[in-house]
Amino acid sequence: DQQVKQNSPSLSVQEGRISILNCDYTNSMFDYFLWYKKYPAEGPTFLISISSIKDKNEDGRFTVFLNKSAKHLSLHIVPSQPGDSAVYFCAARDRTTGNQFYFGTGTSLTVIP
Amino acid sequence: NAGVTQTPKFQVLKTGQSMTLQCAQDMNHEYMSWYRQDPGMGLRLIHYSVGAGITDQGEVPNGYNVSRSTTEDFPLRLLSAAPSQTSVYFCASSRVGTGGYNEQFFGPGTRLTVL
Repeated sequence: DQQVKQNSPSLSVQEGRISILNCDYTNSMFDYFLWYKKYPAEGPTFLISISSIKDKNEDGRFTVFLNKSAKHLSLHIVPSQPGDSAVYFCAARDRTTGNQFYFGTGTSLTVIP
Repeated sequence: NAGVTQTPKFQVLKTGQSMTLQCAQDMNHEYMSWYRQDPGMGLRLIHYSVGAGITDQGEVPNGYNVSRSTTEDFPLRLLSAAPSQTSVYFCASSRVGTGGYNEQFFGPGTRLTVL
């Protein structure tokens, strides 16, 4: 049973506009949430994270929002750039195990120049 | 630093063959893990280790063995390959901390096909 879900397999956005990628989870024991970016034929690379005690974390053009009551997080990219075109995975850490991470299925973002 | 390296990049096996996927990291990370990525499934944790001599199962451990004799290396063994093990395999490593997130560094992946 998928504990982390990304319901949008793909997203297309014009360059300069905002990209919003969404992620839902079911396990209330998750305490850290992370976003990874993946280019073809490469491994995922860490992008940004948020602790469950916060509701927002910002790093340059990237902001992650966490809504614990809705078990929902989102990644905002503003402004979007063609180099942002990649697959984005959200991931969550189960605090009861401490070292097990659960990944979503990914959203493929295309930024159109 | 090379980061996390994986060999081979590609491999084709016949059903029933065995092989070992190699993973090494040079960042002195305690935590290492193996994931498989399948279409529509995201990344799923196979096995992980929090230090030399310590391993544990993840979500999908069946058909795979691991060992951790050194901090640097974490090989993944397929004892008798099956077509269901056709996938892209990623190795990752991170520090182990008592608080804060543990950013994982991923290798470039091994694409395995089992015929």
